[in-house]
Amino acid sequence: DTAVSQTPKYLVTQMGNDKSIKCEQNLGHDTMYWYKQDSKKFLKIMFSYNNKELIINETVPNRFSPKSPDKAHLNLHINSLELGDSAVYFCASSQEVGSGDEKLFFGSGTQLSVL
Amino acid sequence: QKEVEQDPGPLSVPEGAIVSLNCTYSNSAFQYFMWYRQYSRKGPELLMYTYSSGNKEDGRFTAQVDKSSKYISLFIRDSQPSDSATYLCAMNAGNMLTFGGGTRLMVKP
Repeated sequence: DTAVSQTPKYLVTQMGNDKSIKCEQNLGHDTMYWYKQDSKKFLKIMFSYNNKELIINETVPNRFSPKSPDKAHLNLHINSLELGDSAVYFCASSQEVGSGDEKLFFGSGTQLSVL
Repeated sequence: QKEVEQDPGPLSVPEGAIVSLNCTYSNSAFQYFMWYRQYSRKGPELLMYTYSSGNKEDGRFTAQVDKSSKYISLFIRDSQPSDSATYLCAMNAGNMLTFGGGTRLMVKP
């Protein structure tokens, strides 16, 4: 029973398209995140939601819009995809937020390739 | 210069070797230090967690934090082929995690 699950696992699409990635966690955590991992393996936070409220919004283009219908789900919609959006996107969740004590549980990632 | 620096490797060792993985950082406000392990095509998983300075041991793994030098280490004793993965350090000053770029470790049988 997967704790943090995201779909799809692979996403190949053309430039200019709009796509969504879905994430669900069954850990009962209050906080969910989207991270982007580039080809050099650097993980950078994009967004964080706590109980459906946006609490972290890093410098990310407006084309990226997260949506949290409830605290167990956090989806990521990307408009007008660009070549530079190609990366692995990870969803994560944690029980704590803002304490420094956050222990993140990650999904398996979505490999996005923009052609 | 990035806030957290980590040698990308790859680091190749024979089975049974002691492995030392390291990170340096520049932000003296970091108080929480973690190591995540990431297998190929998987998400990172939390391996070790320490608060402030000192050592922490868990089985074959030991995490060390030296705040005076802004340097953290992960030691793996009796390394196994199943330890082959990318190891990412991560640090937190109380607001959000900052990750290193990861070190790829290969343990050869």
